[in-house]
Amino acid sequence: EAQVTQNPRYLITVTGKKLTVTCSQNMNHEYMSWYRQDPGLGLRQIYYSMNVEVTDKGDVPEGYKVSRKEKRNFPLILESPSPNQTSLYFCASSHLLPGHRTVSYTFGSGTRLTVV
Amino acid sequence: DQQVKQNSPSLSVQEGRISILNCDYTNSMFDYFLWYKKYPAEGPTFLISISSIKDKNEDGRFTVFLNKSAKHLSLHIVPSQPGDSAVYFCAASVQGAQKLVFGQGTRLTINP
Repeated sequence: EAQVTQNPRYLITVTGKKLTVTCSQNMNHEYMSWYRQDPGLGLRQIYYSMNVEVTDKGDVPEGYKVSRKEKRNFPLILESPSPNQTSLYFCASSHLLPGHRTVSYTFGSGTRLTVV
Repeated sequence: DQQVKQNSPSLSVQEGRISILNCDYTNSMFDYFLWYKKYPAEGPTFLISISSIKDKNEDGRFTVFLNKSAKHLSLHIVPSQPGDSAVYFCAASVQGAQKLVFGQGTRLTINP
C-alpha cells in the first residue's frame, strides 16, 4: 500500500529537549515536505526536499532542521523545542496527479507535538 | 501574506442539502486548484481538482467551480451526507511547481 508513515503520532516534551519526528514514504517520490497545521492559519510549509541531499526552507522554517540522506526518509528535527512549536505536523510526498499537469500530495497521519 | 484564503472557519449543513465551501486566492500565477478533506487523527486526502482552463469539474457528489476573474473557487457537495463532516482545505499550485499553497481550512458539519 502506498503510504507516508510518520512517528510518533503523539509527543509531549519539555522546552529545549531535542527531538526528531520521522517520516518515510514507499512510493519512490522525489519531492517531500513538512507542514504544520495551526488553528486559523491552515497548513504552512516548514521545509521541503527536491531529492536526496537537496533541501530548502519553506514558509516557516525557524527552529527546525531537516535531512534527506535517503530518498524514502525525511526526518524533521527540533534542536531546542519551544512552546510556540506546539502544533500538528504533517509530512507529505508529492506525485503527479494522473491526467493533470499538477502535483498532489500524499500526507502522513500527523504528529501532534506539545512542548511544555 | 495569505495567498489562499478560506474565510469561513466552519459551516453547518443539514443532511441531504447542498454544502458550499468557498476559497479565494490572490496570486494570478496559480493555475491548478485542489481540495483536500481531513478527518480527525488522519492526514488530508485529495478530493478533487480543477485546472484554470476550466470553470467546472464534477466527480460524483462533488463539483468545483472556478471564477478566474474573481479569483474565487467553490466546492459544492450534493447531497451532503454525515460522512462528509470533516475539515476541507483548498490548495493552489503553479504548473510545473511542486509546492502546494493551502488555505486555513473550513470545518464542515453535516447534521442528521
